[in-house]
This record gives sequence, C-alpha cells and structure tokens, in this order.
Amino acid sequence: DAGVIQSPRHEVTEMGQEVTLRCKPISGHNSLFWYRQTMMRGLELLIYFNNNVPIDDSGMPEDRFSAKMPNASFSTLKIQPSEPRDSAVYFCASSFPGQRGETFGSGTRLTVV
Amino acid sequence: GENVEQHPSTLSVQEGDSAVIKCTYSDSASNYFPWYKQELGKRPQLIIDIRSNVGEKKDQRIAVTLNKTAKHFSLHITETQPEDSAVYFCAASIGGGTASKLTFGTGTRLQVTL
Repeated sequence: DAGVIQSPRHEVTEMGQEVTLRCKPISGHNSLFWYRQTMMRGLELLIYFNNNVPIDDSGMPEDRFSAKMPNASFSTLKIQPSEPRDSAVYFCASSFPGQRGETFGSGTRLTVV
Repeated sequence: GENVEQHPSTLSVQEGDSAVIKCTYSDSASNYFPWYKQELGKRPQLIIDIRSNVGEKKDQRIAVTLNKTAKHFSLHITETQPEDSAVYFCAASIGGGTASKLTFGTGTRLQVTL
C-alpha cells in the first residue's frame, strides 16, 4: 500500500496565482480530510469528505479556498487567488470506519511570495 | 463541537527520564483518543490510541491513560530517548459512525536532552 499520496511536495507561487493541491487517499478509505499546519495556528481541519460528499467545511478560511472530491480516489484543494498568509503545510489524510485514526500524506509545503 | 486542550506546549526532559503530556476534551460522547507523533518535517503518525471502554493501554515505553469522568487523557513516555524528540498531538473523536473527524490538541514539543 502506497499510503496517502499528495502532490506536489513543494509549491512556490506568486501572490494572486491559483494553486491546486492534489490527494489520492488509501484505496478503500471512505473519509478524506484536508488540514493546514502553521506554527501559529497548529493543525487545522479545513474540510472533510465522506463517500465523496463534503460533510464539514466550516474550517475553510474563506471563499478563496475550495475543495472537490470527484471520485473515491482523488481530491483537490484549490486556492484562488493565493495570498502570502496561505503559506503553510497542507496535509491530506484518509480513514475508514473502525480504523485506528487517520493516515496522513506527506504534505504539500506551499509558499506564496 | 468538540474542544481538545493540551498541556504543556513545550516539554524538555533529560534522556532516561519520563515525560507526561495531558489533554482534556469537552464532548462526553467522544470515545476514541489517538496520539500522533510528528517529527520535524514529517507527517503526523499514529503511535498509540485508546477507546473509552479501556482505562489504560501500554505499548513498550509509551502508555496512555483515560479518565472518562474527568474527561482527560494522558500520554506517558518512560525511559525517554533522543529519538522521542518531536511534536506530539492528542485527538478525540466520536468513532464508530459512518463519518467521524478527529479534533486535535495544539501539540506538545518534546525535547529530550542528553
């Protein structure tokens, strides 16, 4: 099992540009989570999906952020337009009922200059 | 919703000493409590967990205790080693349903000094 796969690992972009982060959950997992981690705010849950349906997006900071899960094996988190304060590590995680916790991907380190 | 508080935010111990990290939760319906370890530049990884029908669980040098009445749980690391240095997160959730999320604490940075 390759685990949760995120791409890209690093992204540097200019303010105002669109950024798309990608995630492939572990096969068979039916819940997918997007987190943002910064020194100041710690680990924040942005949104999570169950069976491809968004369940809770209350953590999405503003309308510039959007997430989709078109099928069970793929999800995207998009920021448009990006701002320097969006710089953070974005983690995707997946799980299934009865599993021990959530399995995290390696993260995408986003830098907006 | 659930709120998880974690203390201390930083902890420094000498190699061989014990380390204890404490968390409290607010939702009495929470019944699953995992602990994650995050090394510098790496992803959070599950190291131990406990469910509400158990008061204590141990795995080699790490153990977790749960007090449901007081709504708090703790991570204990004995005989600490330099490789234990990391950020530790506690979390809580209402598990067993078709869709559940973890609520994380703010993390404890553990430094094990020689």
